Amino acid sequence: DAKTTQPNSMESNEEEPVHLPCNHSTISGTDYIHWYRQLPSQGPEYVIHGLTSNVNNRMASLAIAEDRKSSTLILHRATLRDAAVYYCILRSLNTGTASKLTFGTGTRLQVTL
Amino acid sequence: KAGVTQTPRYLIKTRGQQVTLSCSPISGHRSVSWYQQTPGQGLQFLFEYFSETQRNKGNFPGRFSGRQFSNSRSEMNVSTLELGDSALYLCASSPGDSYEQYFGPGTRLTVT
Repeated sequence: DAKTTQPNSMESNEEEPVHLPCNHSTISGTDYIHWYRQLPSQGPEYVIHGLTSNVNNRMASLAIAEDRKSSTLILHRATLRDAAVYYCILRSLNTGTASKLTFGTGTRLQVTL
Repeated sequence: KAGVTQTPRYLIKTRGQQVTLSCSPISGHRSVSWYQQTPGQGLQFLFEYFSETQRNKGNFPGRFSGRQFSNSRSEMNVSTLELGDSALYLCASSPGDSYEQYFGPGTRLTVT
C-alpha cells in the first residue's frame, strides 16, 4: 500500500483556518486521496476525498498538488468540535481492495480559544 | 437513516475465552469492514465482507474470524483471547467500493 506522511500534531486557534498537510510521494494513478477524522471516543468519520482536482464540501476543502504527491486538508474556520485526529489515506479503486483503508498515525489537531 | 450500530459497546473477557462482536450496517449497505484500534498499533484493517463473502483480509492470525449474514449484518469472533487483543473494535459499512465508509462507535474489549 502506498504510504502517507503527516505531522504528529498541530494547533490552531478557534475560528482561524487550519491547513493539515499530507505527503504521499508514492501515490499511484488509481489512488484517491481520502481524509477521515476521529473525534475523541468515536469511530472515524469521513471528511472528504479527491483524485486530481481540488474539492470542497460542507466540512472542508481538499487541495491536491499538481503532481499529486501531496495534499492539504483545509478547515476554513476551526471550532472546538474540530479537535480530532485527522487521517490522510490513499484508497485504490482496484476492485476488491478499495474497502481496505490503511490508516497511518494521523495528525492530532488541537483547537484552543 | 440509522447509523452503524455495534453491540455490545463494552466487554470484559478472560484470557483463553472467545468472544463474538456484532455489527449492524446502515440499511442498504452491502460492505462491512472490521478494524482493530490499539494505542500501540493504531487502526488496523481486519477483514471486509461483501454480500456474505470475505473479500479482503488483513494481517491477523486465524483466531480472528468473521461472517456476514444475508441482511448484511456481520459478526466477528476472536477465539482463545490474549491480553494483546484488548482493543477498540470498529465496524464500518459502505454501499460499495466507490463510496466512503461509515464507522460505528466501536466495541471496547478488555481481556484480563
